[in-house]
Amino acid sequence: TQLLEQSPQFLSIQEGENLTVYCNSSSVFSSLQWYRQEPGEGPVLLVTVVTGGEVKKLKRLTFQFGDARKDSSLHITAAQPGDTGLYLCAGPPNFNKFYFGSGTKLNVKP
Amino acid sequence: NAGVMQNPRHLVRRRGQEARLRCSPMKGHSHVYWYRQLPEEGLKFMVYLQKENIIDESGMPKERFSAEFPKEGPSILRIQQVVRGDSAAYFCASSQREADTQYFGPGTRLTVL
Repeated sequence: TQLLEQSPQFLSIQEGENLTVYCNSSSVFSSLQWYRQEPGEGPVLLVTVVTGGEVKKLKRLTFQFGDARKDSSLHITAAQPGDTGLYLCAGPPNFNKFYFGSGTKLNVKP
Repeated sequence: NAGVMQNPRHLVRRRGQEARLRCSPMKGHSHVYWYRQLPEEGLKFMVYLQKENIIDESGMPKERFSAEFPKEGPSILRIQQVVRGDSAAYFCASSQREADTQYFGPGTRLTVL
């Protein structure tokens, strides 16, 4: 059983569509990070959310941390082919070691 | 400000040989983590080290695998007597403090023939 469950596992959409991916846990996290990994590369940090209810925007990407700090979502507006990649959420529950979700593989078709 | 560096980027070994993977953390980071990733899968935690100490090796196979982070120099992940099942991408990450945000290197892709 994964400590962090991500959904959906796979997502294939057309350029210009909106999408939301989710990261859920039964544990409380002191912070959550979102990473994007492109084929052949290491994960690149997109954002860190720390406060329950926090919303952070990064251009067309909106990240939200749940009020109870057990879940997070990533919303992409008007997706572009350059958004294609594996999206990973990760974090330390209760200040212990880091855990990674299994990821959402996004494919944006032109 | 250099990020996490890993070398080699690609490594080919025959069954039974040894593989040595190196990781230099970001400047100012003293916490290093190693992960393994199989194709189409997420990251699997292997080991967490601080300078000269192994803090958590719960994700590392008990045999053939070892890791170190000496006082001077890079962290090394060593795989002895490699088998085909060891073929994977191995990523190193570093952080400034324990359970802090981790920053990743570009990975080493190990292929065992």
